[in-house]
Parts: sequence; structure tokens; C-alpha cells
Amino acid sequence: GPKVLQIPSHQIIDMGQMVTLNCDPVSNHLYFYWYKQILGQQMEFLVNFYNGKVMEKSKLFKDQFSVERPDGSYFTLKIQPTALEDSAVYFCASSLEQGDAETLYFGSGTRLTVL
Amino acid sequence: GQQVQQSPTSLVLQEGENAELQCNFSTSLNSMQWFYQRPGGSLVSVFYNPSGTKQSGRLTSTTVIKERRSSLHISSSQITDSGTYLCAMERKGGNYKPTFGKGTSLVVHP
Repeated sequence: GPKVLQIPSHQIIDMGQMVTLNCDPVSNHLYFYWYKQILGQQMEFLVNFYNGKVMEKSKLFKDQFSVERPDGSYFTLKIQPTALEDSAVYFCASSLEQGDAETLYFGSGTRLTVL
Repeated sequence: GQQVQQSPTSLVLQEGENAELQCNFSTSLNSMQWFYQRPGGSLVSVFYNPSGTKQSGRLTSTTVIKERRSSLHISSSQITDSGTYLCAMERKGGNYKPTFGKGTSLVVHP
């Protein structure tokens, strides 16, 4: 089936540094999402993205977070600067349409550890 | 309050037993999807089922919009079914930001 690829699978950085998480969505998909999951806890919506713009973001999407998809390449989540509470697994998802024909496809996640 | 409630929180079965997982919503539903999260963390879509009943092998999903609930039935459970099952819903009028429940942790013993 369709695959969403996330690179890297693990990332360890020092608090205050910048980190960029990369997502290669399904090739013909139009809608992109980031979710955050702290170990053992609920999957939380961060942001969705369509046509080069953020459509909606949650309270978890702090000012230090940004997303972009330059020239149809990777869909990225950048955190600058990182904080200890940013440690979590970040999942990228994509879908072809919004609405009734919607199916989300998820990547395997990037485990971010902030020291 | 919590928009998506999943029950039970955890379930332990002997191989061959059936499982019934529930997902209840506090708002009107536009779409919903069941996912299986492997012990390693990756998510696999099990069903996209905004209404009615869908079946795939040993898995059956039923969504009743009026009652704001969806169920996932696993028949003749196998050890490889072990993991966490998540439901995600999109409410009517939402700007497509699917909300997840906390999941049901399923353990199937031999």
C-alpha cells in the first residue's frame, strides 16, 4: 500500500538546538499532518497543511515549531529552539482528499530525544 | 472534555477468543478510522469506516453515526493481533484534524 517515509527514525539533540524532522508523503497526496505522541500517551494533533499553507494547528504547535514543503519535496517539521518537553515520537501523515473519501496514511515516526 | 473515548483500556485474551473494541464520540461525526499501532510504534490503517459495516478477514468494523459510536470486532484472535488499537474521528465542521482516542491495548496469549 501507499507509504509515508520519515527520516530519521531516531534523533538525539541537546536542548536549545534546532531540529528538522523530514517526511516523504505519498506521492499524489495533497494534505499533510504532524502528530506528537509522548511514550505511552495519546496521539495528539499538531498541525495540518495544504496548498503550501497551515490550515489548522493545535495548542501544542508552539511558536518554536514551523512546517513547510518547499517545491513539493519533503514535508518538514522544524523545532527551534528545542525544549525538554519536545521529547516524543513525531508522526507524519498524508491523505489525498479532505472529507468523505479521506484515509490517513502514517509514517513510522521519528523518535526525538532532547537532552 | 475528551471527544473520543475508547474502551476497554486494555484487554487480555487467549488465542482463539474474540475481541470487541469500542469507540464513542462526543460530537457529530464526519469520518472515522481505526488504526493498529505496533509495539514498535508505527501505525497501520485497519479500516476507514465513517458509517456502516466493513469486514476484512477476521476484522469487522461497525460505525453507527446516530449513536456516535464505532466498534472493531476481532474474531479468533491470534498472538500477532497484540498491540494497541486506536480510533480517530473527524467531527462535522472540523478543519480536518482527526482526533485520536487513548487506545485499547490488546494482549493475546498462546
